[in-house]
Amino acid sequence: QVQVVESGGGVVQPGRSLRVSCVASGFTFSTYGMHWVRQAPGKGLEWVAVISYDGRDKYHADSVKGRFTISRDNSKNTLSLQMNSLRAEDTAVYYCAKDRDTYGAAYYFDSWGQGTLVTVSS
Amino acid sequence: EIVLTQSPATLSLSPGERATLSCRASQSVSSSLAWYQQKPGQAPRLLIYDASNRATGIPARFSGSGSGTDFTLTISSLEPEDFAVYYCQQRSNWPRITFGQGTRLEIK
Repeated sequence: QVQVVESGGGVVQPGRSLRVSCVASGFTFSTYGMHWVRQAPGKGLEWVAVISYDGRDKYHADSVKGRFTISRDNSKNTLSLQMNSLRAEDTAVYYCAKDRDTYGAAYYFDSWGQGTLVTVSS
Repeated sequence: EIVLTQSPATLSLSPGERATLSCRASQSVSSSLAWYQQKPGQAPRLLIYDASNRATGIPARFSGSGSGTDFTLTISSLEPEDFAVYYCQQRSNWPRITFGQGTRLEIK
């Protein structure tokens, strides 16, 4: 079955960098767009970024544009999010999520990992 | 940015009752709306996409309706496992995806 497992979260100081990743299995990773969605403690969901199935197209939310970069390695079934210039308001659980459609981008998220917590604090 | 407003914030019902959750968009999103369920400590789960299509494996007691700016998620007869937080999400003006603030469905 579809499985997505995130890693790389932790505590980081404001202004520093962190990279979170997820490894996917149970589906043909290279044919699906992938997303990052985050959730601050006790708050709602916020979409962060998307990357197309082949990695050619990437979009980031305005709140992270210029600081975060989504990438993927289809040979390793891995999705990553490089986070630079971190701020306290970036503190959240970061979820890796699979797009519902093959090749296209439905922007509906039909499989999610368990999330990895990133805490930005001095 | 399209703002999604969910109501009520909290809904208190008993097992076996019917639940009706609302999501209103600040501008038309056509039928480009999804519903998710999230239980404590778990990731969200896709329930409904394109306003009225059930995702794979979702029980028939969950149904979605609406188009334009007003949408409804209905749970016909609540099971104990349905008590959770529910979010709506629009994809109409991708990639500016937005979620509603959530409705907490609690046991009365």
